[in-house]
Amino acid sequence: DAGVTQSPTHLIKTRGQQVTLRCSPISGHKSVSWYQQVLGQGPQFIFQYYEKEERGRGNFPDRFSARQFPNYSSELNVNALLLGDSALYLCASSLAGAPSAYEQYFGPGTRLTVT
Amino acid sequence: QKEVEQDPGPLSVPEGAIVSLNCTYSNSAFQYFMWYRQYSRKGPELLMYTYSSGNKEDGRFTAQVDKSSKYISLFIRDSQPSDSATYLCAMKGYGQNFVFGPGTRLSVLP
Repeated sequence: DAGVTQSPTHLIKTRGQQVTLRCSPISGHKSVSWYQQVLGQGPQFIFQYYEKEERGRGNFPDRFSARQFPNYSSELNVNALLLGDSALYLCASSLAGAPSAYEQYFGPGTRLTVT
Repeated sequence: QKEVEQDPGPLSVPEGAIVSLNCTYSNSAFQYFMWYRQYSRKGPELLMYTYSSGNKEDGRFTAQVDKSSKYISLFIRDSQPSDSATYLCAMKGYGQNFVFGPGTRLSVLP
């Protein structure tokens, strides 16, 4: 079975540009979460989507937005890129969006470099 | 004070040693405690989870949670060079989002 897939693998953008990252969850999983992992730090929660609805939002500016499609895949958009947005962006899928859900599976991430 | 603290290491041990990895936290609402392993340039992989206090064992791995002290541990027995990775603790409360520690880099030397 395919795990969580993310595209692209690497991305280089300049300040002020916009970027779209994509994620396909494990087959049958309906919940997708996005995380930002800066080098040397743990992942930081950005968004969770379940059944195409936003279920949670972390402490990130409005430049960050996301959506989930009917096939449960998801996109993360970041506008007006800053140097500090350089990070590994991780997508995680889980079976359900229940408040007690703890089992999530991560993709390999998209490494974004902003110059 | 950060919600979840973890010694970043690096921690170097000889092959076969018992490894102890720890996290402390400040949010008493946390009920679900997880340990992830992350190899370089890969996504985190869920190793173990524990609900509330207690111990859980899975092969060479043992997870412990002490909610009264707000302290969790992961023990790795008979460590192998393939265990060399960054270990992340993560926790959440009911209906809350996951909060990760910064990770401890472990090197197991052959």
